Amino acid sequence: EAGVAQSPRYKIIEKRQSVAFWCNPISGHATLYWYQQILGQGPKLLIQFQNNGVVDDSQLPKDRFSAERLKGVDSTLKIQPAKLEDSAVYLCASSLRDRRRGPGNTIYFGEGSWLTVV
Amino acid sequence: AQRVTQPEKLLSVFKGAPVELKCNYSYSGSPELFWYVQYSRQRLQLLLRHISRESIKGFTADLNKGETSFHLKKPFAQEEDSAMYYCALSAGTALIFGKGTTLSVSS
Repeated sequence: EAGVAQSPRYKIIEKRQSVAFWCNPISGHATLYWYQQILGQGPKLLIQFQNNGVVDDSQLPKDRFSAERLKGVDSTLKIQPAKLEDSAVYLCASSLRDRRRGPGNTIYFGEGSWLTVV
Repeated sequence: AQRVTQPEKLLSVFKGAPVELKCNYSYSGSPELFWYVQYSRQRLQLLLRHISRESIKGFTADLNKGETSFHLKKPFAQEEDSAMYYCALSAGTALIFGKGTTLSVSS
């Protein structure tokens, strides 16, 4: 079974520029998550999709971050304009369905997209 | 507030020694707790979850609601256990992670 795919793996941009990250979840997974992981901290949820609808975007800085999941499969996370504090690893994850309890609903993570803003 | 605390940034042990990675949580409801692991140059992956009550790679974790803890334990550490370990709490629709503990096992 193929895992969660993300691209690009690494990106360096100047502040005030824009960047976009792409994620392809595991086939058949209805729920998709974007997490931000700043160096030295644990992952923090930015946004959660259930199919192509947003379930939770309460921690997404909406003045500069946007995300979409067209057709309920692939997703794109965009940052515009970027700030120095956006330097982080952006993790995409997916699960078979939303976060209901049970051992069958494991969340699988991608390798992450490393962003450096200079 | 919902929060996960991992008090140790780094835990260094010798091969064969017992390991305990501490995790405390704050949650008003009935929690679901997890341990995730990230080996060098690999993606974050689930190690175990409290409701499964299983032992994975020799690791176990027991949920203690009285002490609001979910410590990860292994009686005899192996060098291949060296990794970053994150404790996480399910808050309904999302996972809340601790800051992580780096486990270093040396021979």
